[in-house]
Amino acid sequence: AQRVTQPEKLLSVFKGAPVELKCNYSYSGSPELFWYVQYSRQRLQLLLRHISRESIKGFTADLNKGETSFHLKKPFAQEEDSAMYYCALIPAGFQKLVFGTGTRLLVSP
Amino acid sequence: DGGITQSPKYLFRKEGQNVTLSCEQNLNHDAMYWYRQDPGQGLRLIYYSQIVNDFQKGDIAEGYSVSREKKESFPLTVTSAQKNPTAFYLCASSIRGPGNTGELFFGEGSRLTVL
Repeated sequence: AQRVTQPEKLLSVFKGAPVELKCNYSYSGSPELFWYVQYSRQRLQLLLRHISRESIKGFTADLNKGETSFHLKKPFAQEEDSAMYYCALIPAGFQKLVFGTGTRLLVSP
Repeated sequence: DGGITQSPKYLFRKEGQNVTLSCEQNLNHDAMYWYRQDPGQGLRLIYYSQIVNDFQKGDIAEGYSVSREKKESFPLTVTSAQKNPTAFYLCASSIRGPGNTGELFFGEGSRLTVL
């Protein structure tokens, strides 16, 4: 079965510090991976997808198939990055998104 | 204003009662989804629909039912058979299946409390 694991429930950093939100997945095939974000009092929304190899709001994520990981990174955290972050995958051939348990990022001034 | 509208925002029900949560979208999306969000458990898929008059069970479908009679509507009924219905429910839609872009558009959610 497909599973997405986010080991940290809460990650607290100071403004300007590097951030890494961990995501590991278990899936035998080649999944598509995504990061979703939910800011306070806003809807859950897509942050980035691994196939685009994009950087959004300074965040990047690299798919490591050997370690089955898709960690989200930002070199210098900002207070406005405080939010709930969810890692998600689409198993190949399926039409559904499987989410992890989420990590709350708190960036303090 | 385009998007996904969920109603009601808050709902209370007594044990043994069925309750229906509404989800409407005007994005002309084919696919729609219902997720349940519980603290520490993330989002779990209840049901999804790729096209009108068709839907599939997700990971936690027991005690829930859905219908997809219209493209823009995907109501979720929480039945009395659902053993732990108190939760936050999120509806989402995507242009086609998520395999195309991975982008789901979410509603604001409905919080159901069983008294």
